[in-house]
Amino acid sequence: EPEVTQTPSHQVTQMGQEVILRCVPISNHLYFYWYRQILGQKVEFLVSFYNNEISEKSEIFDDQFSVERPDGSNFTLKIRSTKLEDSAMYFCASSEDLSGGHGYTFGSGTRLTVV
Amino acid sequence: SQQGEEDPQALSIQEGENATMNCSYKTSINNLQWYRQNSGRGLVHLILIRSNEREKHSGRLRVTLDTSKKSSSLLITASRAADTASYFCAPRTDKLIFGTGTRLQVFP
Repeated sequence: EPEVTQTPSHQVTQMGQEVILRCVPISNHLYFYWYRQILGQKVEFLVSFYNNEISEKSEIFDDQFSVERPDGSNFTLKIRSTKLEDSAMYFCASSEDLSGGHGYTFGSGTRLTVV
Repeated sequence: SQQGEEDPQALSIQEGENATMNCSYKTSINNLQWYRQNSGRGLVHLILIRSNEREKHSGRLRVTLDTSKKSSSLLITASRAADTASYFCAPRTDKLIFGTGTRLQVFP
């Protein structure tokens, strides 16, 4: 079964450093998403991406965040200057369509720890 | 977009018993999806029911949808310890938004 692959599985970074979280969505999917989950809290929507541009972003997704699809397979989330409160699990997801009959496929996540 | 509200927040049962989780939402939807999350892991898509469907089955899962009441239920029959996880409903208009889920604990 096709998978969404995320790397690394765990990243520890110092406050103020830049991090890039990487995702390889399913190859025939067109819509890509990032979500995050702070320990013990809800899974929160960050951003959706289609046709090489951001479709929608939440208020969490401020100027410190950016997304990119640098080639035909990778989808990245960059946090420019990490804060302690950015510590969370970050999940990438992809789907075939926007609102039709298919679910999202999620990756296993990257646990980001900011120290 | 809207999130579903799952009920109960937590459910503990013995292996072999059935588990029923409910979901309510507020506005019209294209479809409603159920996901499972094992602790610290990614969400796994379980089943999708379209707005014109009333019931759907997949293995030990049975989902119902009542658009007039804006509610859905997920039934897991003959539960197993491996079903222990959090379960989320996601009413779909555009992007998926997740609520706090139902934490299901199945004791051997």
